[in-house]
Amino acid sequence: QSVLTQPPSVSGAPGQRVTISCTGSSSNIGAGYDVHWYQQLPGTAPKLLIYGNSNRPSGVPDRFSGSKSGTSASLAITGLQAEDEADYYCQSYDSSLSGPHVVFGGGTKLTVL
Amino acid sequence: EVQLVESGGGLVKPGGSLRLSCAASGFTFSSYSMNWVRQAPGKGLEWVSSISSSSSYIYYADSVKGRFTISRDNAKNSLYLQMNSLRAEDTAVYYCARVYIAARCFDYWGQGTLVTVSS
Repeated sequence: QSVLTQPPSVSGAPGQRVTISCTGSSSNIGAGYDVHWYQQLPGTAPKLLIYGNSNRPSGVPDRFSGSKSGTSASLAITGLQAEDEADYYCQSYDSSLSGPHVVFGGGTKLTVL
Repeated sequence: EVQLVESGGGLVKPGGSLRLSCAASGFTFSSYSMNWVRQAPGKGLEWVSSISSSSSYIYYADSVKGRFTISRDNAKNSLYLQMNSLRAEDTAVYYCARVYIAARCFDYWGQGTLVTVSS
């Protein structure tokens, strides 16, 4: 069971908009830690998609956007394209007695219909 | 160009040991914290361990604490993961990942190396 909760799957038709949620708690997202998003295409390593809640690395299309509010965050993809079909993971930090440590969401599989 | 290349994976029996390596190039390795992240077959990402740029700060996931040891050699631009007392549940692709300090996220990942623990 992941510390951050994501829907197992979402789907949308080409051109549509989809959102993926990432729900945490007061010890991680709610504690003020930033949320980051990764895209993992089939058979490849994860790739940084959104960092610091809403920032896009160079080369990431502006069809991808992120937001954070309270204990949750969201990734939005507009103008859905076939090549967006992938697994998406959110990541943040969680407080613990031994210090903050990295936590991931369970991942969401995006299917482009 | 930033490159991270893992090696050392393979098949090992339960209770055995394995040492993973990650060769870094294209950036000043000694300036970056590094992490190991794993992914069991068909499963999600799981953080394993992190090490600061000078090895001063080291952290482990509870699932590997006491069995795995992370280390680095800045002179060789290399990151390591010594894995002892391996269990079936350690079977996964192991990725090394660079930390983007400003945001504390992973901005570059290696291609991964597969570790299979099975008798």
